[in-house]
Amino acid sequence: NAGVTQTPKFQVLKTGQSMTLQCAQDMNHNSMYWYRQDPGMGLRLIYYSASEGTTDKGEVPNGYNVSRLNKREFSLRLESAAPSQTSVYFCASSALTGSYNEQFFGPGTRLTVL
Amino acid sequence: GNSVTQMEGPVTLSEEAFLTINCTYTATGYPSLFWYVQYPGEGLQLLLKATKADDKGSNKGFEATYRKETTSFHLEKGSVQVSDSAVYFCALEAPEDMRFGAGTRLTVKP
Repeated sequence: NAGVTQTPKFQVLKTGQSMTLQCAQDMNHNSMYWYRQDPGMGLRLIYYSASEGTTDKGEVPNGYNVSRLNKREFSLRLESAAPSQTSVYFCASSALTGSYNEQFFGPGTRLTVL
Repeated sequence: GNSVTQMEGPVTLSEEAFLTINCTYTATGYPSLFWYVQYPGEGLQLLLKATKADDKGSNKGFEATYRKETTSFHLEKGSVQVSDSAVYFCALEAPEDMRFGAGTRLTVKP
C-alpha cells in the first residue's frame, strides 16, 4: 500500500517550457487535490477533483490545468512555466471519515523555473 | 471568505518544555478543524482533528480544543521531544473549501 505517490521529486524548467506532474493513489479515494506550498503562505489549493470525471478550480488555478485520468490518477500540467510557479507541489487524496475529510499527502515535487 | 491565521515561527524550545502554537480561524458556518504536521522532506500528515465546538482532538501527546466563542484551535503539548521538530499547520475544512495556515516551524533542542 504505497498511499499517494508523485513524480518527479525534483524538476528544473526554463521559462516557457511545459511539464506534467503525475500523482497516483491506491486507497480508492474519490477526491484528489493539487496544492502548492510557498514560504510564509502555507498550502494553497490549485485544483481539486471530487470524483472521477470532475475537476474544479481552487484558490490559485491560473497557469495550470489538470486531468483526472481515472480514479487513481490526477495530473497537473504547466503549459508555459513562469518563475512565479517555482514552488513545492503536493498532491493529496481524501476519504470521508464520519463527518470530515482526512487528506493524505504525497511526498511533494520541488519545481524550480529559471 | 474562510481563512486560518497561526502564530509565526520559528519556535525553538528545549526538550521537555511546554508547547503552544496559536491558531485562529474565520469561517462561515461550522468548519472542521485540523492540525497537520510535516517532517523534513515529507508530505503533511494529519496530527489531530475536531469536528464541532468544544471537541478536543488529541494524538501523540498533542491536544487542541475547538473554541467557537474565540474562533481558536490552539495546539499544545506538555513536554516536547527532539522528535517533535517539524512544521505544524492549522487547517479548516468547510463545504468545498480547505484552507491552511502558513505553518509554524518548531525546533526542539536536547
